[in-house]
Amino acid sequence: KQEVTQIPAALSVPEGENLVLNCSFTDSAIYNLQWFRQDPGKGLTSLLLIQSSQREQTSGRLNASLDKSSGRSTLYIAASQPGDSATYLCAVCEGGSEKLVFGKGTKLTVNP
Amino acid sequence: GAGVSQSPSNKVTEKGKDVELRCDPISGHTALYWYRQSLGQGLEFLIYFQGNSAPDKSGLPSDRFSAERTGGSVSTLTIQRTQQEDSAVYLCASSLARRNTEAFFGQGTRLTVV
Repeated sequence: KQEVTQIPAALSVPEGENLVLNCSFTDSAIYNLQWFRQDPGKGLTSLLLIQSSQREQTSGRLNASLDKSSGRSTLYIAASQPGDSATYLCAVCEGGSEKLVFGKGTKLTVNP
Repeated sequence: GAGVSQSPSNKVTEKGKDVELRCDPISGHTALYWYRQSLGQGLEFLIYFQGNSAPDKSGLPSDRFSAERTGGSVSTLTIQRTQQEDSAVYLCASSLARRNTEAFFGQGTRLTVV
């Protein structure tokens, strides 16, 4: 059974700092990995999608990497801003099924 | 529409009543997913549709839960004889095709069973 773990569960940083969020998964047979952001009381906003054949994807200040063989992904946020405060969720699309399996998220707080 | 739309946004119901939650996916998206997010828990997969068929309904927690999709578009999640443990946010997502495409989520329906 695929399990996705995100570390740390919560992170508080001062504005301007660069930071890394970690995601690990137990079964490397995945189609893709997706990072989402969730604001309190809201749905999920897709940030980056990495296909299983890719190593990284970039969007603005965000960079996500994927090491499928070791079952790990990182989300790098450069020059963090208070508006980046949210819960960040990692999800893998399982090989052999169509569903996304989610981690429990990292709650990020960026202090002005 | 511009995004995935879910209704109602909030629903309070009495224990034992039936509820219907609606999801309007992005136009043209053939894949549709239902997830549940309980307080302090991660997102729990419920059911996946490809077109009108549901090849994976393995996450439905009991036979009180059912879902259908008509015309390859709108989906309805029905919970019969609601229990307090059904209280959660129910999220719907859609994607253009299987597997290698981005999933887009709606804002969710917050269900409270009293």
